[in-house]
Amino acid sequence: DAGVIQSPRHEVTEMGQEVTLRCKPISGHNSLFWYRQTMMRGLELLIYFNNNVPIDDSGMPEDRFSAKMPNASFSTLKIQPSEPRDSAVYFCASSPWTGNYEQYFGPGTRLTVT
Amino acid sequence: QQPVQSPQAVILREGEDAVINCSSSKALYSVHWYRQKHGEAPVFLMILLKGGEQKGHDKISASFNEKKQQSSLYLTASQLSYSGTYFCGTEHNNAGNMLTFGGGTRLMVKP
Repeated sequence: DAGVIQSPRHEVTEMGQEVTLRCKPISGHNSLFWYRQTMMRGLELLIYFNNNVPIDDSGMPEDRFSAKMPNASFSTLKIQPSEPRDSAVYFCASSPWTGNYEQYFGPGTRLTVT
Repeated sequence: QQPVQSPQAVILREGEDAVINCSSSKALYSVHWYRQKHGEAPVFLMILLKGGEQKGHDKISASFNEKKQQSSLYLTASQLSYSGTYFCGTEHNNAGNMLTFGGGTRLMVKP
């Protein structure tokens, strides 16, 4: 299995631009998580999907952030408009089932907003 | 509420032991441990469920004290490959694996 796939791996954009991060979970996994990692705030859960349905988005920082999962094999995290404080590494992780299963993390997208 | 990890950093010589602690202010349902190497994604180590279960993985084991709302990760006879940042992730009810991660413990093993 290829594991969780994220694209792009690196993104540099200017403040005010729209940014879209993409994730392909492991086939057969039905839980998907988006995380943000910074030195200051650590690893934060942004949103969690189960069977393509958003279950908890309480970690989404503000309305500029949105996430979708149109099907079981694809999810996007969009930031519009982007700000310098959004600079971070964004991880997508998938898990085979709800309950106590390990999460498989993708390689992450390093976002820099100038 | 983010769990508190201690220590924040530790330096070991190869072959030495270490303990990393994770404490929560809320009742715990499960604790997950991950290791992240620099520039890489976190990688799963183990899950502990409430009930005081202890698990092991090679020379890495962990315990879960439900009453104290704590978990500890034990690294025995550390190897160079153990270097990295260790995170605990806590789940406070059976909420579908939604985790809150601690701030991490940076472990460096020297030859």
